[in-house]
Amino acid sequence: NAGVMQNPRHLVRRRGQEARLRCSPMKGHSHVYWYRQLPEEGLKFMVYLQKENIIDESGMPKERFSAEFPKEGPSILRIQQVVRGDSAAYFCASSSDVGEQFFGPGTRLTVL
Amino acid sequence: DAKTTQPPSMDCAEGRAANLPCNHSTISGNEYVYWYRQIHSQGPQYIIHGLKNNETNEMASLIITEDRKSSTLILPHATLRDTAVYYCIVRVAMDSSYKLIFGSGTRLLVRP
Repeated sequence: NAGVMQNPRHLVRRRGQEARLRCSPMKGHSHVYWYRQLPEEGLKFMVYLQKENIIDESGMPKERFSAEFPKEGPSILRIQQVVRGDSAAYFCASSSDVGEQFFGPGTRLTVL
Repeated sequence: DAKTTQPPSMDCAEGRAANLPCNHSTISGNEYVYWYRQIHSQGPQYIIHGLKNNETNEMASLIITEDRKSSTLILPHATLRDTAVYYCIVRVAMDSSYKLIFGSGTRLLVRP
């Protein structure tokens, strides 16, 4: 049973470009969570999605950030017009209805 | 904000037990205590969780005080590969699932 997959593992963007981060949950999991980790800090919750629905986006910045989890395909975290402060590790986790959250290896975004 | 407080760092000798404390004095009656660890910059790894009773699995033991205001994670025979940041987390319920509010964690160094 493959774990949570994230790609790309490393992403470099210049200021003003768009970043798209993908997350494929574990087989059988319908809940996806995105977290952001700045250097030397703990993970910060961003958004929780189920298929085709955003359930809780209380941790998402109000502008430039969006997330989706379509009926088919991976969950996407999209950052428009990236700035240097967006440089961080972005982790995706998935769970079944009542199970533990399992994390992917993360995507490390560097904004030049 | 995180509902837990942990010492920023600890160390122990290889082969000895590592006891990692956590305070969660404002925990509610139906909130679980979860432990994850993050080795280097990998995705967090689930260790164990509990509500009221002590719990044990193949990785660790979790001791929760009777008033539930604190807990201790015990790694019975620490190895060098247990060097990691350990996060004690109070699980916050959401609609049909939950989110994890990470604090700063405890950086455990296992010495040879």
